Amino acid sequence: LAKTTQPISMDSYEGQEVNITCSHNNIATNDYITWYQQFPSQGPRFIIQGYKTKVTNEVASLFIPADRKSSTLSLPRVSLSDTAVYYCLVGDDTGGFKTIFGAGTRLFVKA
Amino acid sequence: KAGVTQTPRYLIKTRGQQVTLSCSPISGHRSVSWYQQTPGQGLQFLFEYFSETQRNKGNFPGRFSGRQFSNSRSEMNVSTLELGDSALYLCASSLGDRGELFFGEGSRLTVL
Repeated sequence: LAKTTQPISMDSYEGQEVNITCSHNNIATNDYITWYQQFPSQGPRFIIQGYKTKVTNEVASLFIPADRKSSTLSLPRVSLSDTAVYYCLVGDDTGGFKTIFGAGTRLFVKA
Repeated sequence: KAGVTQTPRYLIKTRGQQVTLSCSPISGHRSVSWYQQTPGQGLQFLFEYFSETQRNKGNFPGRFSGRQFSNSRSEMNVSTLELGDSALYLCASSLGDRGELFFGEGSRLTVL
């Protein structure tokens, strides 16, 4: 599994766009990139998954450059309720085979 | 449809005891994986079952074991509990392909 590196923490204000970048230099050809969100004392929740270029859903966008050695999760107009830990996962087993969660990025949104 | 259900939600045990945690996956999901989450170590993969077979295992001692039944429900067992086993134990189900993981609320175990 490709090792991922994310910032440990980030601060933002309500209404701002937040971009969290994940580095995965050893990503393999078959690997997908998946992001999860976790609130305290709850299980992680799937946000978005992509392989290349850009993926967008109702809550976030995922930007993946051509070399796929990094990816950026973009959260538009964050609110206080977006305060959480965000995990970037890379692998071809993101369906749950042996999913390895890194330390994640703790996002704190301020009023 | 109903989400992933974990029972019990909270439990307290003493050192040396054993514990069994249960997980009912989303209907139709054949893969169930288990994770341990502690403040110091984060989310760590324990094992994953697919169609009653253990498909992958993390780096945990043999005191941690699990199984999956024909209806995809899964249990994990921890024997000879240690203080360091205090954690939130999370179960996740998926279709078993590259799809997303759906997590339960977790079982919070406290070992005294």
